[in-house]
Amino acid sequence: AQKVTQAQTEISVVEKEDVTLDCVYETRDTTYYLFWYKQPPSGELVFLIRRNSFDEQNEISGRYSWNFQKSTSSFNFTITASQVVDSAVYFCALSEYNFNKFYFGSGTKLNVKP
Amino acid sequence: DAGVIQSPRHEVTEMGQEVTLRCKPISGHDYLFWYRQTMMRGLELLIYFNNNVPIDDSGMPEDRFSAKMPNASFSTLKIQPSEPRDSAVYFCASSGQDSGANVLTFGAGSRLTVL
Repeated sequence: AQKVTQAQTEISVVEKEDVTLDCVYETRDTTYYLFWYKQPPSGELVFLIRRNSFDEQNEISGRYSWNFQKSTSSFNFTITASQVVDSAVYFCALSEYNFNKFYFGSGTKLNVKP
Repeated sequence: DAGVIQSPRHEVTEMGQEVTLRCKPISGHDYLFWYRQTMMRGLELLIYFNNNVPIDDSGMPEDRFSAKMPNASFSTLKIQPSEPRDSAVYFCASSGQDSGANVLTFGAGSRLTVL
């Protein structure tokens, strides 16, 4: 069965600190997608990144970076030099390749203090 | 495109009343999803459609919930009769080839409070 675990319920950091959000997933599929979504205090869910199971290259986008390791079934998200605007709930998700369903983790609430 | 449009943004109703939530997906998207978000249960998939056809409604809590997609540009989620435990934020999301395979674009959500 598919499952996404975000063990960190809430993290608090001070602005400019680096922070890593953990995501561990379970799936029997050999082909799948992994995602990160951001939910700021305003409530909408914003897509950040998609990674397919064949692409284990790490990705960097500005202050954001993602580390995908199939060997440990992890897809971790690092924010470098965090800013107050990064305060949000971040969700990791898994979807089946044939696009049936998404499985969301429980989310990690990130508080960035000035 | 204006994105996924949901209405109403906020709804307060009394127990036993009928509630209808509406969603307009992004034009051209062929998948539409309804999610419910609560503190206790997180994000739950209720139902999803492909080309206006319901594919999986196993997440619909009970017979009080129903969803329809009469055409490619409109979907409704109805709760009748509503109960306090239905209080949640309901999200509609859509996906299609233009957004990249499997990428969900969410609406702003409809916050439902049942008194």
